[in-house]
Amino acid sequence: GQSLEQPSEVTAVEGAIVQINCTYQTSGFYGLSWYQQHDGGAPTFLSYNALDGLEETGRFSSFLSRSDSYGYLLLQELQMKDSASYFCFLGQNFVFGPGTRLSVLP
Amino acid sequence: DTGVSQDPRHKITKRGQNVTFRCDPISEHNRLYWYRQTLGQGPEFLTYFQNEAQLEKSRLLSDRFSAERPKGSFSTLEIQRTEQGDSAMYLCASSLGGRDSPLHFGNGTRLTVT
Repeated sequence: GQSLEQPSEVTAVEGAIVQINCTYQTSGFYGLSWYQQHDGGAPTFLSYNALDGLEETGRFSSFLSRSDSYGYLLLQELQMKDSASYFCFLGQNFVFGPGTRLSVLP
Repeated sequence: DTGVSQDPRHKITKRGQNVTFRCDPISEHNRLYWYRQTLGQGPEFLTYFQNEAQLEKSRLLSDRFSAERPKGSFSTLEIQRTEQGDSAMYLCASSLGGRDSPLHFGNGTRLTVT
């Protein structure tokens, strides 16, 4: 089967850097993605990693280590609008992680 | 790109009634997905279509749930004999391409079973 684990909550202050980790178990691998969901909103795609290493998209970066079955989302220069839930996602079987709720404090 | 649209936005029904939701995907997208999400949880996969073919269905999906995608365009999700445990947000998403393609979600249908 497939499973993903994430911390349930993370808190940081504006301007800081935060890392949200995701570990996974899967029998196959089609890449690890990250989605953001604001309260009351729909999940929106942030990034995708198929190969090991770091992918950078503006203030957000995502890292993957396939040998460790591990990835993380790095958010830099945090803003209040980054307060949301963040989900890692396995494309193999369309499975989302339980989500990490990020609270950005002033 | 008009986005994924879902109808209705909210549905309140009594236990035992049948409900049907509709999803219109982004027009050129060949894949369509249904998810269910409860408060504080990640979206739970229900089923997906490639064009008109339903290729995967979650083992968690009871036989009270059925989905269709006639002609590979819009999709419907029907829940028969609703139960209070069916109360959730039902999300539809679409994508173009394979399992590495981003999912584009609609705003969901919130179902409340009383």
